Amino acid sequence: ELKVEQNPLFLSMQEGKNYTIYCNYSTTSDRLYWYRQDPGKSLESLFVLLSNGAVKQEGRLMASLDTKARLSTLHITAAVHDLSATYFCAVDSGGSNYKLTFGKGTLLTVNP
Amino acid sequence: NAGVMQNPRHLVRRRGQEARLRCSPMKGHSHVYWYRQLPEEGLKFMVYLQKENIIDESGMPKERFSAEFPKEGPSILRIQQVVRGDSAAYFCASSLDEGTQYFGPGTRLTVL
Repeated sequence: ELKVEQNPLFLSMQEGKNYTIYCNYSTTSDRLYWYRQDPGKSLESLFVLLSNGAVKQEGRLMASLDTKARLSTLHITAAVHDLSATYFCAVDSGGSNYKLTFGKGTLLTVNP
Repeated sequence: NAGVMQNPRHLVRRRGQEARLRCSPMKGHSHVYWYRQLPEEGLKFMVYLQKENIIDESGMPKERFSAEFPKEGPSILRIQQVVRGDSAAYFCASSLDEGTQYFGPGTRLTVL
């Protein structure tokens, strides 16, 4: 059974600081996704990472994938309050591209 | 360009009643997925449907839950004889093929 673990689960940081969220998964997979969820809202797709060494950046967020280590990171640069949300990573259940297995999410709070 | 639509957004049912949750995929998308999110948990896959076909229902509870995606109209997730443990947010997602899934706003079900 595919397992996806995120850490930390809770992250409180000051504006302007940098931090990294980690996502480990247990078996080979084809694709890794990062989603953002605001309280009471749906999930917004941030990144899709398809291959080893893939790196994608959007604004203050950068995601990378190491398939050998089965690890993805979401790096936050110079955090701002608007980034406060819950961030989920999700992985295809290798062999079936549609069944996403989600981590428990990282609740990020950026304080002024 | 409308996204994934779900209704109702909030649904309150008493124990033993039926809950019907509707999902209209994005225009042009023929793949629909249902996920359940319990409080402070990640999303859990329930079922994957294409028009008139259930492709994978491995995440569906064996009893009381059913899903359909008719040729015309929205996908329906039906929960019969609801119990308190069914209280959760239910998200529908759609995709063009087995690619990136786009999520709807969710239906928050409360069972009294």
